[in-house]
Amino acid sequence: GENVEQHPSTLSVQEGDSAVIKCTYSDSASNYFPWYKQELGKGPQLIIDIRSNVGEKKDQRIAVTLNKTAKHFSLHITETQPEDSAVYFCAATPGNRDDKIIFGKGTRLHILP
Amino acid sequence: EPEVTQTPSHQVTQMGQEVILRCVPISNHLYFYWYRQILGQKVEFLVSFYNNEISEKSEIFDDQFSVERPDGSNFTLKIRSTKLEDSAMYFCASQRQSIDEQFFGPGTRLTVL
Repeated sequence: GENVEQHPSTLSVQEGDSAVIKCTYSDSASNYFPWYKQELGKGPQLIIDIRSNVGEKKDQRIAVTLNKTAKHFSLHITETQPEDSAVYFCAATPGNRDDKIIFGKGTRLHILP
Repeated sequence: EPEVTQTPSHQVTQMGQEVILRCVPISNHLYFYWYRQILGQKVEFLVSFYNNEISEKSEIFDDQFSVERPDGSNFTLKIRSTKLEDSAMYFCASQRQSIDEQFFGPGTRLTVL
């Protein structure tokens, strides 16, 4: 089945700098890759997603890139702010489905003042 | 903005007892899910539910687990005889169509003593 690997597990960046989180997946048939942000005491919240028919997607300070050949995708956060501190999960849905989500292990992002 | 709600927020139970975790999905959603997150680990898929039946379940979702949508609004997860290793955060999610975003509830923290 699908397996999603994510790194780093922890990331500290200075406020205003960029943060990059990288993930790989195993199922070449996967075609939907969401990213979730989880704040303390809350459920995961979708922040951006990408489908395998595009290579890059941007939404304000957040961008995601996808390399389907290499089976990896990345989250880029620019001009980081204190409220970006959270745990971020990459995910994939196996095969040609958008329902069952397979999550990575998460990256705890700390924004340093 | 509509949201997924879950009750209780925290459930403490003795090993061997039955627990029922409750979720109220977003009202016009058709697809429902349970995930769990053991402390410090990744979010894991448990089960998906559509059209009043289970669509898919993971290896974790054994005979001790069951789901039900008893009244068209609630979506419940029952664990018949809890084990220590069932201690985790349980998230409910719902989705309008299978290609849409999954919205997660805030979770129920289950502690089995």
